[in-house]
Amino acid sequence: AQSVAQPEDQVNVAEGNPLTVKCTYSVSGNPYLFWYVQYPNRGLQFLLKYITGDNLVKGSYGFEAEFNKSQTSFHLKKPSALVSDSALYFCAVRAADSNYQLIWGAGTKLIIKP
Amino acid sequence: DTAVSQTPKYLVTQMGNDKSIKCEQNLGHDTMYWYKQDSKKFLKIMFSYNNKELIINETVPNRFSPKSPDKAHLNLHINSLELGDSAVYFCASSQVSAADNQYFGPGTRLLVL
Repeated sequence: AQSVAQPEDQVNVAEGNPLTVKCTYSVSGNPYLFWYVQYPNRGLQFLLKYITGDNLVKGSYGFEAEFNKSQTSFHLKKPSALVSDSALYFCAVRAADSNYQLIWGAGTKLIIKP
Repeated sequence: DTAVSQTPKYLVTQMGNDKSIKCEQNLGHDTMYWYKQDSKKFLKIMFSYNNKELIINETVPNRFSPKSPDKAHLNLHINSLELGDSAVYFCASSQVSAADNQYFGPGTRLLVL
C-alpha cells in the first residue's frame, strides 16, 4: 500500500535560517513525489516534483527537495527562510506505474518568525 | 485568467438542504478531482473523473454525487447536508499522466448549520 508520512505537525524557523520540512513515503516501484504549499484561505499550489533523474529538484520560491531512495525520503528545503514562507506544506506520492490516486501527507505547518 | 475556478466561494446552509458546487478549468486537462479538507487540514480525495472513468472513493457517502457536463467542468452535488459535511472543498485538474501535477481551485467553504 502507498503511504506518505510528514512526521512534524509544525516546524518553527527563524527568518534567514535554513528550513527543512520532512517527508517519507512507501510505494511499490518507482515513486513520483510532489510538494505543494497552501497559504491561508487559498488553494494548494504546486512547488516541485521528482519524476526521474537528478535527486535534487529545484522548484518555486527558492525551494528544493532531495530524493533519497535508500531512506525513502523527499525532504523539502530552503537555504534561507522568509516570513512569507509561512504556510501549510503537503507532500504527496504516487507509484510511477500505477493509476492509483495521489496519496497525500497530513501537512506540516511552517512558521517563520522574524 | 483563473485556471481552476469554483463557485460559490462561501456556502452557509441548513442541515438537510441540497446544494451544489461548481468547478471549471480552462487548462485543457483531461482529469478533474474533488477534495475535502477538514478542520484539521487533512486533505482527502473524494472523486477523480476523466473522459473515460469516474473513480469514487468508497468512503464518500452516496449523498455526494459528481456531475461532469463536459471535460472542463466537474460539479459536486450534495444531498441532505449534515453537520459533518462542513469543510473546505477543493476542485483540481491535471493531465492524465501520473507524472503531472494538479492545479487547485481556491476552495469552497461550506458551513452546515
